[in-house]
Amino acid sequence: GQNIDQPTEMTATEGAIVQINCTYQTSGFNGLFWYQQHAGEAPTFLSYNVLDGLEEKGRFSSFLSRSKGYSYLLLKELQMKDSASYLCAVRPPGLNNDMRFGAGTRLTVKP
Amino acid sequence: GAVVSQHPSRVICKSGTSVKIECRSLDFQATTMFWYRQFPKQSLMLMATSNEGSKATYEQGVEKDKFLINHASLTLSTLTVTSAHPEDSSFYICSAEKRGAQKTQYFGPGTRLLVL
Repeated sequence: GQNIDQPTEMTATEGAIVQINCTYQTSGFNGLFWYQQHAGEAPTFLSYNVLDGLEEKGRFSSFLSRSKGYSYLLLKELQMKDSASYLCAVRPPGLNNDMRFGAGTRLTVKP
Repeated sequence: GAVVSQHPSRVICKSGTSVKIECRSLDFQATTMFWYRQFPKQSLMLMATSNEGSKATYEQGVEKDKFLINHASLTLSTLTVTSAHPEDSSFYICSAEKRGAQKTQYFGPGTRLLVL
């Protein structure tokens, strides 16, 4: 089975840096995704990690350690529009390429 | 680009009726589409995986006779909620897999279903 854990809520200040952690215990692993979801909208793709290390994309970076079953999403220079839920998703091995989502972390950015 | 659309965006229906939701990949071909359900303040739960030209694969606990999935072409999958009940009220989101190195899923805007 899959067990994916994220903090439920986080608060940060505009302009600051925030790190959202995700730990997983899954029967097999074939990649980890981060998605951003604003309230009432569909998720939008942020990042994908399949190998250990840091992937940087503008203000967003994602890190993966497969041996530790751990990932984090780093958001720099926070903006008010970054207030959203951030979903960690793990892709199990297999041919379907499906994903299993964590419950999401609701980030609130304050002025 | 990788745009996925859903129609309708919002639907209200009476208990016992059936509702069809369409998911289209607008600018790419998607051999695989996924259907998710999301209840308020909860995460996405995978309902089924839909492969073009074959039967959908349902997750455990999802009734295939209640949630009919058809993936007739490389750009269209439909989900029909049959004999809908108030507990089926939810946010239904589809995603389509775009072929490439990452095999990333791109999500549609979602359909909010309210069953009265």
